[in-house]
Amino acid sequence: GAVVSQHPSRVICKSGTSVKIECRSLDFQATTMFWYRQFPKKSLMLMATSNEGSKATYEQGVEKDKFLINHASLTLSTLTVTSAHPEDSSFYICSARAESSYEQYFGPGTRLTVT
Amino acid sequence: AQSVAQPEDQVNVAEGNPLTVKCTYSVSGNPYLFWYVQYPNRGLQFLLKYITGDNLVKGSYGFEAEFNKSQTSFHLKKPSALVSDSALYFCAVRGYNAGNMLTFGGGTRLMVKP
Repeated sequence: GAVVSQHPSRVICKSGTSVKIECRSLDFQATTMFWYRQFPKKSLMLMATSNEGSKATYEQGVEKDKFLINHASLTLSTLTVTSAHPEDSSFYICSARAESSYEQYFGPGTRLTVT
Repeated sequence: AQSVAQPEDQVNVAEGNPLTVKCTYSVSGNPYLFWYVQYPNRGLQFLLKYITGDNLVKGSYGFEAEFNKSQTSFHLKKPSALVSDSALYFCAVRGYNAGNMLTFGGGTRLMVKP
């Protein structure tokens, strides 16, 4: 149990376009989802925390207008990178947590490359 | 604020030898501690956790970790390393009242050589 999926696993887009990444909890209801960014050979950087039905809470330095997060249901959160630039190229990982649980379950990640 | 330190960027060990990946933490109150492993271009896989109880925690793939409250450490160990253990390892901590937010260490790359 406790499986989290991400789609797509890899995406290449042109500079200036927008890209949507989906994060789904497959066998549990995720009241909270987290979005992380990971640079090569670096640790995970928390971008934002989203609770179902409410606005996401962004970490300091993360542009909310650039990284749009939607958590419209208990099993789906989306991250949209708007007007992507090459510096947005990175590995994006989501995680999900059920209500009253201390554990987070991580998705497999999405490799974004902006050309 | 809570924090995690993994003092070694890389650990090299020969196959069959014991391995240790170090982790120290700082958090208010009782910690929830986790170890994750990441293979290239993959997400994080859960290895083990300490919440309460026995200080020695056993996890997946033969890994274990020992919670040491006085030293605020949670080192990851394995008695006999395998080449397939080569990966990036992350220690993470969450305080009891931290709003469920995990703080990760910088990661340690484990290289097991045949």
